[in-house]
Amino acid sequence: DVKVTQSSRYLVKRTGEKVFLECVQDMDHENMFWYRQDPGLGLRLIYFSYDVKMKEKGDIPEGYSVSREKKERFSLILESASTNQTSMYLCASSFPDRAGYNQPQHFGDGTRLSIL
Amino acid sequence: KQEVTQIPAALSVPEGENLVLNCSFTDSAIYNLQWFRQDPGKGLTSLLLIQSSQREQTSGRLNASLDKSSGRSTLYIAASQPGDSATYLCAVIETSGSRLTFGEGTQLTVNP
Repeated sequence: DVKVTQSSRYLVKRTGEKVFLECVQDMDHENMFWYRQDPGLGLRLIYFSYDVKMKEKGDIPEGYSVSREKKERFSLILESASTNQTSMYLCASSFPDRAGYNQPQHFGDGTRLSIL
Repeated sequence: KQEVTQIPAALSVPEGENLVLNCSFTDSAIYNLQWFRQDPGKGLTSLLLIQSSQREQTSGRLNASLDKSSGRSTLYIAASQPGDSATYLCAVIETSGSRLTFGEGTQLTVNP
């Protein structure tokens, strides 16, 4: 069974703090993703990575950065947390899609982050 | 830009009913479509993945269909049970990459 583990289920931080959200997968997946989920807005892609040390901006990268030093770990960084970054953050991973063989994305349980 | 819409936003049914959840997408150039289940406060669990060349996929009481040309997918749940209560999300991957675009989900309640 694929396991995607997010380091915290709940996190409370203050505005201006630097916040790290960690995600680890145990299936040797090349692709890893960070989403946030907000009521009325659904899931939106923040950043993704196709391989170690590679990163691509998603739809809402502003205020965030990422780090992928090892294949199994993908970190989301809030450089200076703000109240509008209060949200549910979801990490996912998958193998790359190859011609004729599509790969599902597997999700962690999420981190509910509150910025006070 | 791809947009994914799910109708209805919420659905409440008595136990035992067969039901259909709908998903539509604006750009038919998709690579695959995935249905997920999300329980309150939890992450997403992948239910079914349909490749663009397929018309349907089945897993137990779940059947998902795909009509790429019309930009529609349906998730059919047979003989619904209270344990099926959750939010169901559909998402598409476009041929341009591995990024998922999600609908906002259908919140399903199955009453005993």
